[in-house]
Formats: sequence, C-alpha cells, structure tokens
Amino acid sequence: AQTVTQSQPEMSVQEAETVTLSCTYDTSESDYYLFWYKQPPSRQMILVIRQEAYKQQNATENRFSVNFQKAAKSFSLKISDSQLGDAAMYFCAHGWGAQKLVFGQGTRLTINP
Amino acid sequence: GAGVSQSPSNKVTEKGKDVELRCDPISGHTALYWYRQRLGQGLEFLIYFQGNSAPDKSGLPSDRFSAERTGESVSTLTIQRTQQEDSAVYLCASSPGGSGHNEQFFGPGTRLTVL
Repeated sequence: AQTVTQSQPEMSVQEAETVTLSCTYDTSESDYYLFWYKQPPSRQMILVIRQEAYKQQNATENRFSVNFQKAAKSFSLKISDSQLGDAAMYFCAHGWGAQKLVFGQGTRLTINP
Repeated sequence: GAGVSQSPSNKVTEKGKDVELRCDPISGHTALYWYRQRLGQGLEFLIYFQGNSAPDKSGLPSDRFSAERTGESVSTLTIQRTQQEDSAVYLCASSPGGSGHNEQFFGPGTRLTVL
C-alpha cells in the first residue's frame, strides 16, 4: 500500500530564513508523482510544487524547491526567504495515474516576524 | 468563477439525519475526487469518478456513505444516518483526467458538524 509520512507535526522559522519540511513515502508504483500542498486557515488546498518520479532534476518554483531522493523515498520541501504569508499547514502527497492522492498528516509551519 | 465550488460551506446536523454535500468541478474536468479531513489530520480519500463512473470507491468508510455524479459535472456525496464521527471537512477536487497524473484542483470544502 502507498503511504506518506511527515514526521514533523510543527515547524517554525524566522521571517526571511530558510526552512525544510520532511516527507518520506512508500510505493509499489514505478511511474508516480509527488506533490506539496499548502492549506492556510481558509481551508483552500493550494498546490505548491510537483515532482515527476522519472525526472532526476529537482523541481523548483520561485522560493520553493524540493530535494527528491528516489532511492531513499524522500521528498523534502525547502522554503527560502520565508514570508509571513507562508504560514499554513503543508501536506506532502503521492499520486499515480489518474488515481487518488495519498496524503501525509501535515506539518504546521509558523513564521516568526 | 473558474474554480471548484462546494455547497454548503458549513452544515450542522443532528445525529441520525441524512446530509447531502454538493461539488461543482471545473468545467471540462472529467475526473472528480472526494476526500475527508478530520480535525488536525491529513486528507483521506473517499471516492474517485472518471466521467459518471466511479472506478474507485475504496475509501468510503461504510454503506452509509454514497456518491453520484451526473452529466460529467456536479457530484453529490450523501451520508445517511449521520454519526458524530462523521464530523469533518469534506473536500472535493477535480482534474482534467487523461493520461499522466494531472494536478487536482480543490474546492473550499464543506465543514460538517454532527451534534
């Protein structure tokens, strides 16, 4: 069965600093995708970044980047130059084909001004 | 609006009552998903539609839960004889479908409270 584990229930970082959120997963699929979603208090799930497993290059989106270690089944999210608006719950998710997403339990990120 | 919409935004019901939750996906999206999010938890998959068919219902927790989709558009999630453990946010998502894994676009959710 596919599983996703986020071992950090809460993280905090000073504004303008860098923070890394951890995620590990287990899968039997050979062709799959990994995602980081952000959920602010409004409940709206917002896609932050996605990574195709067949791509060796780590995905980046402005201040957000991932460290994808396929052999270790690790997929961490790095947020650079943290901003107050980055405060939210962050969920790591695993998907394959057009199937469901399997989510981790989330990490609550606090930004200290 | 071009996004996924859900109604109602909040629903309070008494134990034992039936509830219907509605999802309007992005126009043209053939795939539709329902998830449940308990307080402080991650999202749990409930059911997936491709068109009007549901090839994966594996996440429905009991036979009190059912869902349908019509016209390859709106979907309704029905919970019969609600229990307190059904209290959660119910999130709907849609994606264009087709080959590969497309991004899922989420609605704002319906917060269900069972008293």
